Amino acid sequence: QSVLTQPPSASGTPGQRVTISCSGSSSNIGSNTVNWYQHLPGTAPKLLIYSNNQRPSGVPDRFSGSKSGTSGSLAISRLQSEDEADYYCAAWDDSLNGIWVFGGGTKLTVL
Amino acid sequence: QVQLQESGPGLVKPSQTLSLSCTVSGGSISSGGHYWSWIRQHSGKGLEWIGYIYHSGNTRYNPSLKSRVTISVDTSKNLFSLKLSSVTAADTAVYYCARAFTILGVVQGFDHWGQGTLVTVSS
Repeated sequence: QSVLTQPPSASGTPGQRVTISCSGSSSNIGSNTVNWYQHLPGTAPKLLIYSNNQRPSGVPDRFSGSKSGTSGSLAISRLQSEDEADYYCAAWDDSLNGIWVFGGGTKLTVL
Repeated sequence: QVQLQESGPGLVKPSQTLSLSCTVSGGSISSGGHYWSWIRQHSGKGLEWIGYIYHSGNTRYNPSLKSRVTISVDTSKNLFSLKLSSVTAADTAVYYCARAFTILGVVQGFDHWGQGTLVTVSS
C-alpha cells in the first residue's frame, strides 16, 4: 500500500487533456512539494515536474503540475500516443524521521 | 548529460547480502549539490525509496530498511553502491540508482535515473 494515493488507470484520446491526481497527508504533500515522473517499463523513469509545478528543461509545456492542500495533480494537454506510460507522484514525508514516498502509479492509456 | 548505470548480480540467495553498484558518467559525484540514491520497485507495485548518500559520505535511509542497508560512495571511481543484508524473497525487485538534486540545500526530487536492474532473491 503506497503512502500517496493515485488512481490505477487513466485514459484519453489524442488531443484531449487528462489529469492524474495524487492524494497524500499533512506530513507529506501538505507540508512539502510534489514531483511527478513518467515511466515506460524497461526504461529509466523521467522527472516531469518538481516543486509542484516546475518543469525541467526539455519537458514539453503540455505537462503541468499543481498542488492544493494535501493533493497534487498532473495535467497532460494535447495528449499524444507517446504519452502512454506509467506516472508516479512523490513527496518528502516528515514522519518517521523523514522519508521519500511515492504513489502507486497511474497507467495512462491513449485510446 | 549525466548517465547512471546499475551493475551487480541478478540472483541472490536468501539470507545473503545483495550488492549493487551505480556508475555515474557525464558528471562528477564529488561536484556537490546532489544526493546519490537507490530506489526499488516490486513487480506491479509502486516505487520505494531505499536511501541516499552525499559525496561527503553522509547518508539517509528509509527507516523500514535502515537496519539492513548500507550505501557507500567511491569518488575515485565515480560510483556509489548499495548493500542490503539478510535478504528474503520480499527483496526481489527492480533496483534503480538515481541522482537527487537540491535547491538551496533541500532535495527537490530525482532528475536522473538508471534503467534499473532486476534482482531476484531465490535459492
